[in-house]
Amino acid sequence: QVQLHQWGAGLLKPSETLSLTCAVSGGSFSAYFCSWLRQPPGKGPQWIGEIAHSGGPDYNPSHKSRVTISRDTSKKLFSLKLTSVTAADTAVYYCACGSYSSRGWSYWGQGTLVTVSS
Amino acid sequence: DIVMTQSPDSLAVSLGERATINCKSSQSVFYSSNNKNYLAWFQQKPGQPPRLLIYWASTRESGVPDRFSGSGSGTDFTLTISSLQAEDVAVYYCQQYNNSPFTFGGGTKVEIK
Repeated sequence: QVQLHQWGAGLLKPSETLSLTCAVSGGSFSAYFCSWLRQPPGKGPQWIGEIAHSGGPDYNPSHKSRVTISRDTSKKLFSLKLTSVTAADTAVYYCACGSYSSRGWSYWGQGTLVTVSS
Repeated sequence: DIVMTQSPDSLAVSLGERATINCKSSQSVFYSSNNKNYLAWFQQKPGQPPRLLIYWASTRESGVPDRFSGSGSGTDFTLTISSLQAEDVAVYYCQQYNNSPFTFGGGTKVEIK
């Protein structure tokens, strides 16, 4: 059974860097593509970006200049960094992974509420 | 970006009755080279992450009850709950993964009448 566990700081000040990490257990990490998504309060999910087993990351252009997603296959970890945060970045952030056969996010982290406030 | 539009925003259905949610994409999410529609449906309950129900527009994810079904092609899609159960109260989202950035619909809230 694949499980995702995520962690990172939940309270940031404007201009700081959001940093989250997600650990994948119970499956073959190389078999999955993994993504970061966020969900502002009362709104639908938004895709931030993803990283495949091979090849470079793919980012949502709306965040592209501020986002870095990286992957450590040996440790079965992947990470999100979002620089220069503002109040508009306040949201629940999720890591999610899925198989290439479905291209759907079958596995999700528990979510991290990140609040940006001075 | 592909815009996903869901309707209705909310619906109330009696237990055991059918619930139908519609999703329209601003451009086709059908990929002719593999004959697949890059469309997924998710269910989200309060305080939980979204749960994948349907992918490739009509393939049920493992463990999803067969009262959930997806249909449609190109730009118009439907999620049907054939016999609504109390545990199906949730918000449902469609999502396209044909073109990056991958985008979601605005959500449909399903309640018990």
